[in-house]
Order: sequence, then structure tokens, then C-alpha cells
Amino acid sequence: NAGVTQTPKFRVLKTGQSMTLLCAQDMNHEYMYWYRQDPGMGLRLIHYSVGEGTTAKGEVPDGYNVSRLKKQNFLLGLESAAPSQTSVYFCASSTQSGGEQYFGPGTRLTVT
Amino acid sequence: ILNVEQSPQSLHVQEGDSTNFTCSFPSSNFYALHWYRWETAKSPEALFVMTLNGDEKKKGRISATLNTKEGYSYLYIKGSQPEDSATYLCAFRSGATNKLIFGTGTLLAVQP
Repeated sequence: NAGVTQTPKFRVLKTGQSMTLLCAQDMNHEYMYWYRQDPGMGLRLIHYSVGEGTTAKGEVPDGYNVSRLKKQNFLLGLESAAPSQTSVYFCASSTQSGGEQYFGPGTRLTVT
Repeated sequence: ILNVEQSPQSLHVQEGDSTNFTCSFPSSNFYALHWYRWETAKSPEALFVMTLNGDEKKKGRISATLNTKEGYSYLYIKGSQPEDSATYLCAFRSGATNKLIFGTGTLLAVQP
């Protein structure tokens, strides 16, 4: 099992550009999450999904959109990137909402 | 706003020392408390998921206790080794949501 994978690993964007981060899991987990990690702050939840076709807002959803068209994939989109979105993005999945989360390796995004 | 606080922020110990750190969380509407270990350049890995007041979990030299009535959990490492060097994160889930709220972590450095 590959577990949770994220594509790409690194990306540099100019302000105003758009991009999509892909998260894939092969563990048949229902729940998937997108977090961002910034210095001095804990992991903050951007959006999450409780199953295929569903999404919900987390703590810091502004400027991001998500889609869960297939159970194994959870996409995070930035429509118009801003320097404040420079961060490391982690995807995670779990079998149930209170269960342990399995994290991907992260995507380092820089917006100039 | 749900706050999860961890102390200390960082800790430097010598190999062989035993150490412990604290996670504080809201005492009302408790559902679960997670501990994760996060090594540099890797992704967080679950250590424990605790759900019952008075719970005590152990994995090798690492153990954790939980007090849901007063809203705290302790993580203990017995006989620290250099490979224990990592950031230790706790995360709280209330019964009202599907989301984990992460603390900012305790950075442990174990010197040989």
C-alpha cells in the first residue's frame, strides 16, 4: 500500500495563478482532510470530506476549493494564489471521524 | 473557539533522561484526544488515540494518560534516545464536530 500520496511535492506560483493539489489514498478511507502548516502554528484544517461527493469547510477555508469526485482522491484548488497561501499543505485520511489520521508527505507551496 | 495548548514549546534532554509534556484541551464535550509524532522532513504519524477518562496507553518507551474532566493529557518518554527527537503533536476532537484541533506541538531534542 502506498498509503496517502500528494502531488506535487513542491511548487512555486506567481500571485494570481491557479493550481490544484492532488491527494490520493489507497486505504479505502471515508474521511479525507486538507491542512496547512505555518511556522508557529498548529496544523489548521482547510476543508474536509466525510465521503465521496461531500465536502465541508474547516477552520481556514477562504481562498481554497475542494472536490471529492472519487473516494480515493481529494483535490485542493487555489483559484487565484496569494502570498498568504505560501505554506506546507498536508493531506490526511481516516476510517472514521474520530480515528487516527494518516498523513501524506506534504506539498511545499510558495507564492511570489 | 476551541484551544489546544501544549507545553513546553521545546525541550532539550540528554540521552537516557525521562521526559514528559502536557496537552491541555477543553474539558466539555470531549470525544477523543490524539497524539502524533512528527519527525523533521516527514509527515505526522499517530501514536495514540484516547477516548476514555483515565485512559493510559503505552507503545514501547512512550506512554500517555488522559484526564477529560480537567482537560489534560500527558505524554511520557522513558529513557529518551536520539531517535525520539521529533515534534509531538496533540489534537482534540469534540463531540460536536468531525474535526481535529491541533496544538502547536512540543519539539523534543535528545542529545547523545
